[in-house]
Amino acid sequence: DVKVTQSSRYLVKRTGEKVFLECVQDMDHENMFWYRQDPGLGLRLIYFSYDVKMKEKGDIPEGYSVSREKKERFSLILESASTNQTSMYLCASSPASVSYNEQFFGPGTRLTVL
Amino acid sequence: EDKVVQSPLSLVVHEGDTVTLNCSYEVTNFRSLLWYKQEKKAPTFLFMLTSSGIEKKSGRLSSILDKKELFSILNITATQTGDSAIYLCAVRTSGSRLTFGEGTQLTVNP
Repeated sequence: DVKVTQSSRYLVKRTGEKVFLECVQDMDHENMFWYRQDPGLGLRLIYFSYDVKMKEKGDIPEGYSVSREKKERFSLILESASTNQTSMYLCASSPASVSYNEQFFGPGTRLTVL
Repeated sequence: EDKVVQSPLSLVVHEGDTVTLNCSYEVTNFRSLLWYKQEKKAPTFLFMLTSSGIEKKSGRLSSILDKKELFSILNITATQTGDSAIYLCAVRTSGSRLTFGEGTQLTVNP
C-alpha cells in the first residue's frame, strides 16, 4: 500500500514564526503536491514538484516555499506565519506516468497560527 | 482558469435515503475526473472517469460522466451513517495536476 506521512497532525505556531511541514512517501513517486483545505474552498494547490530539486507554483503560492532535496520528501515552508495561513495542509504524491491519474494523500496537518 | 464546482455544498439525509452529488467543470485539456471520499483523515480514492456514459460502480456508490455537458454525478443508494464524509470532485488537466471543487459535506443521520 502507498503510504504518505506528514510530520504532525496538529501544530500551533505564533505569528511571524518560521514553520516547516514535512511530507514523506514510500512508493518512489516522482510527483508530490502540497494543498491547503479550507471550508467552502475545497483543496487549493500551493506548490508541486515533478522531480528532485524541481518545484512549480500552484494556484496560491504566496507566503509559502518548498524544498525537495530527496525524492521521497517534500517540505512546505512558511517563512513568516500569519493568521490567514491557519488551515488544513494536505500532502499528496503520484507516479509520473501520464496514464496514471490518482493522487495519494497524507492524513493532513491542521495548522493554527495565533 | 480551470474551474470545478460541486453542489450542494452540504447535505443532511436519513439512513436509507439515496443521494446525488453533482460536479461541473470548465477546464482546458480535460483528461479525467476523479471522486474522493474524505472522513477525518486523508482523502481516499473512489472513482476515475474518462469516458462519457460509462457508469463506474462500487457497492452502493456509482458515478457517471457527461463530457458534452461537462458534469459528473456521484450516487449513493441506501445511505448509511458511515457514508458521512466530505466528497471531493477533481479534474485532471495538464501534467499530473488536479483541480478540486469545494467538496460536498454529506451527513447521514440514523
